[in-house]
Amino acid sequence: QVQLQESGPGLVKPSETLSLTCTISGTSISRHNWNWIRQSAGKGLEWIGRMFINRNTNYSPSLKSRVTMSGDTSKNQFSLRLSSVTATDTAVYYCASGDSFDHWGQGILVTVSS
Amino acid sequence: EIVLTQSPGILSVSPGERATLSCRASQSVSNYLAWYQQKPGQAPRLVIYAASFRATGIPDRFSGSGSGTDFTLTISRLEPEDFAVYLCHQYLGSPDTFGPGTKVDI
Repeated sequence: QVQLQESGPGLVKPSETLSLTCTISGTSISRHNWNWIRQSAGKGLEWIGRMFINRNTNYSPSLKSRVTMSGDTSKNQFSLRLSSVTATDTAVYYCASGDSFDHWGQGILVTVSS
Repeated sequence: EIVLTQSPGILSVSPGERATLSCRASQSVSNYLAWYQQKPGQAPRLVIYAASFRATGIPDRFSGSGSGTDFTLTISRLEPEDFAVYLCHQYLGSPDTFGPGTKVDI
């Protein structure tokens, strides 16, 4: 049974970097594409980007200049870094597998505030 | 960017009734369309992928149809646990995009 668990700070200061980790169980990071998605009250669901099996990445143009995604095979984890955050980056962040998101983590609320 | 619009915004139905939800894309997405169910405080759950294939564990009262720009999610006989927000998602064009959702309400 595939399970995903997001982890990281729930509070990030403006202008700093948001860093989240998705711990994968029940499958290997090397067998699927992986995504970060966020949900805020104002913008609904927003796809942030995808890391492919070959570790290539594709990011949303609106966030591309600030996003980095990477994978750690040894830990079976997938990570997100979003730099220069502002209040508009406050959201619940989800990791999800595949191209149609067949498995999701429970989500983590990240608030950007000083 | 491909824009997805969903209608209606709110669908008021009773248990046992049929619900028909629509998702329209601003340009063709072929069959690269998925539907998700989301309940308050929970992550979305995949219901339909590739426009018409039920995800694992989804009951057969859920069905999806359509291709190109017009898609439909049908719930044949609503059960109490089906009352939720349903979102569509296209994964053909980059970036992936989501519709705003249809709330299926009692």
